[in-house]
Amino acid sequence: TQLLEQSPQFLSIQEGENLTVYCNSSSVFSSLQWYRQEPGEGPVLLVTVVTGGEVKKLKRLTFQFGDARKDSSLHITAAQPGDTGLYLCAGAGEAGKSTFGDGTTLTVKP
Amino acid sequence: SAVISQKPSRDICQRGTSLTIQCQVDSQVTMMFWYRQQPGQSLTLIATANQGSEATYESGFVIDKFPISRPNLTFSTLTVSNMSPEDSSIYLCSVERQGGETQYFGPGTRLLVL
Repeated sequence: TQLLEQSPQFLSIQEGENLTVYCNSSSVFSSLQWYRQEPGEGPVLLVTVVTGGEVKKLKRLTFQFGDARKDSSLHITAAQPGDTGLYLCAGAGEAGKSTFGDGTTLTVKP
Repeated sequence: SAVISQKPSRDICQRGTSLTIQCQVDSQVTMMFWYRQQPGQSLTLIATANQGSEATYESGFVIDKFPISRPNLTFSTLTVSNMSPEDSSIYLCSVERQGGETQYFGPGTRLLVL
């Protein structure tokens, strides 16, 4: 069974601070996705990383896929209240199924 | 991407009753999935909805409790049968895109069983 561990589980910061969320596994994934979910909504895809060592930037968000494709990180620069939500990483698995991490609940206070 | 709608968006039900949740996609997709999620927590896969054949259930989920239909490539239903308060949760459908690497989610159905 493939498992993804996310840390931290909860994060509460002030507007303007930086943060990093980690997603780790002992398994290799062909790709990894990051989602953000706001209350009352379904998860929304932020990015897919495919290549080991890949770095993708989405405005203030930087995503990195580990060289061995077992781990990933999400770094947010100068966090804003609009970044508040549940962040989920997911690794692509067999038969189209994904393995989801436990989630990181981020609260950015104005 | 894909545009996915779910009905109902939320419901309050009495124990012992059943609720059918609908999932509609704006384009044909091969793979559709049903998940359960407690608020603020991660997603648990219930089953894969297969078009033209029975759904494939994950460990801990059975067809009698969660019957699934997939009559075509754009639509699926999940029924939560003989509900108990423990079934109170958010139910999400998703579809696979980009060669199996990415899933897109519906807005979810919030179920409260009294």
